[in-house]
Amino acid sequence: GENVGLHLPTLSVQEGDNSIINCAYSNSASDYFIWYKQESGKGPQFIIDIRSNMDKRQGQRVTVLLNKTVKHLSLQIAATQPGDSAVYFCAEPLEGSQGNLIFGKGTKLSVKP
Amino acid sequence: NAGVTQTPKFRILKIGQSMTLQCAQDMNHNYMYWYRQDPGMGLKLIYYSVGAGITDKGEVPNGYNVSRSTTEDFPLRLELAAPSQTSVYFCASSYGSNQPQHFGDGTRLSIL
Repeated sequence: GENVGLHLPTLSVQEGDNSIINCAYSNSASDYFIWYKQESGKGPQFIIDIRSNMDKRQGQRVTVLLNKTVKHLSLQIAATQPGDSAVYFCAEPLEGSQGNLIFGKGTKLSVKP
Repeated sequence: NAGVTQTPKFRILKIGQSMTLQCAQDMNHNYMYWYRQDPGMGLKLIYYSVGAGITDKGEVPNGYNVSRSTTEDFPLRLELAAPSQTSVYFCASSYGSNQPQHFGDGTRLSIL
């Protein structure tokens, strides 16, 4: 079955440093992955997505890397800012579903000033 | 551009009461979803809809009902509230499968 999980439940970084949040998945047939950011008291906010025909995709200060060989996904945040403090979820479509996503439990990122 | 709007933001219910959580989107998305999020956990899918008039069960549908009479609205109904339904409920929408889902800010529901 599918399993989307995160290696670390919490991550603490210094302001200005780069952050790396990891995600493992078990369904080798998954062809689409999404990263969400959830701030306290708010709904998940779409950050970036990547399809399986890509290894890397860049956004504004964020980069997602996909390693299909080891079924690993990572989100890199450059020059982490206090506003980046949040819980980050990776998600992938449920196999055979119509767009349903499976979410991991999330990694809490704390940025120290 | 409002995106996905959920009402109410907070609600306290007594055991056995019923209520409807409202969700509306103005992005003309075909797909809509209802999730619940328990403290410190990820999201679990309750129900989803791929278009007006079409609904289907997700991972945790028991105790809930939905309807989709229009593209814009996707209300979630709790008929007999139970303490286990205390949670934060999120509605989301997307253009289709393998597309980003856009979330509302949630309804925080407590059942006492």
